[in-house]
Parts: sequence; structure tokens; C-alpha cells
Amino acid sequence: AQKVTQAQTEISVVEKEDVTLDCVYETRDTTYYLFWYKQPPSGVLVFLIRRNSFDEQNEISGRYSWNFQKSTSSFNFTITASQVVDSAVYFCALRGSFGGYNKLIFGAGTRLAVHP
Amino acid sequence: DVKVTQSSRYLVKRTGEKVFLECVQDMDHENMFWYRQDPGLGLRLIYFSYDVKMKEKGDIPEGYSVSREKKERFSLILESASTNQTSMYLCASATGLRTDTQYFGPGTRLTVL
Repeated sequence: AQKVTQAQTEISVVEKEDVTLDCVYETRDTTYYLFWYKQPPSGVLVFLIRRNSFDEQNEISGRYSWNFQKSTSSFNFTITASQVVDSAVYFCALRGSFGGYNKLIFGAGTRLAVHP
Repeated sequence: DVKVTQSSRYLVKRTGEKVFLECVQDMDHENMFWYRQDPGLGLRLIYFSYDVKMKEKGDIPEGYSVSREKKERFSLILESASTNQTSMYLCASATGLRTDTQYFGPGTRLTVL
């Protein structure tokens, strides 16, 4: 079975704090892809990152970083020095080999509130 | 930039009405998807289409149907709307490549009274 778990429903931080959003996935596929999307108050999901199962290197993009660990089936997302504009719902998603089609399984999402 | 548009941001319908939600993408993508988003449940796939006139059921197809007569347009149909179909509906598109990213529209918040 394919599954994505985001155990943190809501996180509240004060601006400039670092925050980590957890994502744990389940799959039997050896080849798979993991994604993070951001949904700001406007509602449009914005793609942040895609990672394939063969690349465990951590990635950093500005204040954002991602930690992919196959040993724990986790793909965690850290925001350094958070800002109010980071307030959004963040979704982790998994794409396996669902009959070859480009289907995503989403986690329930984590709502991040960054306060001034 | 990929652009995915949805016909309405907000829609209010009555129980039993037939409802059409339209989605258009401008990037010649083969794959198109309809999700519904509910608090605490994330996004759940209703239907997807991998080519014109082709469709596949997602995880929660009951009460919905779809139509894809043209490559750029994917319609979600609620034959007889019910109150439990009140939700945010999101459309997405992607190429047929396994590696590709899905790009999302702004969503339609449907309320069924």
C-alpha cells in the first residue's frame, strides 16, 4: 500500500524561528518520487521540490532544505528563519508505480502559522 | 509557465442539481486530474485522464463522472449533487512522464445546500 503521513496537523512559530515539517511515507516500490507542495491562503498549490528514490542527497534552496532518509522512509522539510509569508498548508506527496500513470498520493497536510 | 484554470472559484448549488466543473490547461499536457480537498484528509484523487477520451477512476470516484473531449479541457460532473460533496475541488495537469510534476489550478470551492 502507498501512504503518506504528516503527523503534524498544525504548527505555530514566531518569525525567525526554524521549523521542520515531518513526512513519512510507505511504498513497496523501489523507484518512487517524493514531492512537497505549498498551499498559501490564495489556495493554489505551488510545487516546491521533487526527489527520486535514488538520490538521498539533502537539498537546500535559500531558507528551505529537505532531508531525505530512505532508512526511516522520511522526507522532512525545514524552513530556516521563518517569515510570515511562509504561513501556508504544506503537503508531502508520493508518486510510485501506479500502473505507470502519473498519480500522486498526498499526506493530510501541515498548516504552518508564522506570527510576527 | 504552465497555466491551469478552473471555471469558477466559488459555486453554490442545491441538492440534486447537476454540476459541471471545468478545467483548462495550456501546456499540451497528456495527463489531467481532479482532486477534492477536505480538512484533515489532504487531497484525494477522484478521476484522472491520460489522454483524450480516456479516463481512470481514482480513489473516490463515487458520485462523480468526467469528460475529456479535448486535450486541454477536463470536466468533472456531479450528476446529482449532495451535501457531502461540499468541498474544494482542485484540477491538475502533467505530462505523461513518470518524473513529471503536477501543476494545479486555483480550485473551486463548491457548496451544496
